[in-house]
Amino acid sequence: DIQLTQSPSFLSASVGDRVTITCRASQGISSYLAWYQQKPGKAPKLLIYAAFTLQSGVPSRFSGSGSGTEFTLTISSLQPEDFATYYCQQLNSYPLTFGPGTKVDIK
Amino acid sequence: EVQLVESGGGLVQPGGSLRLSCAASGFSFSDHYMDWVRLAPGKGLEWVGRSRNKANSYTTEYAASVKGRFSISRDDSKNSLYLQMNSLKTDDTAVYYCSRADFSGGIPYSFYWGQGTLVTVSS
Repeated sequence: DIQLTQSPSFLSASVGDRVTITCRASQGISSYLAWYQQKPGKAPKLLIYAAFTLQSGVPSRFSGSGSGTEFTLTISSLQPEDFATYYCQQLNSYPLTFGPGTKVDIK
Repeated sequence: EVQLVESGGGLVQPGGSLRLSCAASGFSFSDHYMDWVRLAPGKGLEWVGRSRNKANSYTTEYAASVKGRFSISRDDSKNSLYLQMNSLKTDDTAVYYCSRADFSGGIPYSFYWGQGTLVTVSS
């Protein structure tokens, strides 16, 4: 199975900050990676798919990059509505797996 | 408008069974891969399993943690996806989400999600 790790697991940031979350895969997954945002009591929301493609309706302050085993999600200027938990997911092979999540909290 | 509505959650004793449903509307259900994903209290998202579409004979895939205990089925005449959960353990306590996968570059990603249904396994 492909394991995903995320760093950091928790980060405290202020509105307007640039935030970067890293996702590393235990083996190469090409660009078959998605990023989700989840808020308490809500369903996950797809932000980025195929490593860097922004889902329709997602603000352009979100961006994704990487391929192979290392990927990043960047929020260029953190907004109040961005405080949430972020997960990466690999879709290269079964079983599909998620990273453990990164919680972004208000400083 | 794509809508996914899960139901069937509740309290069940360890070793018991439960069947979750996901009612789909707003799209051609038989054309799409569908997933189940869960979120346990204090934990992260966990992929549970997948049902491929009609064109791929509705074949399924499962996470190791549920293989042999859970099974995914669908009834295209009712636009519904099911998750039959047997031999439930306390670790299966979670909110269960269904999602619709859409293809991009040959890979199905979960673009649409339901609101989830809570399953509690406890004596």
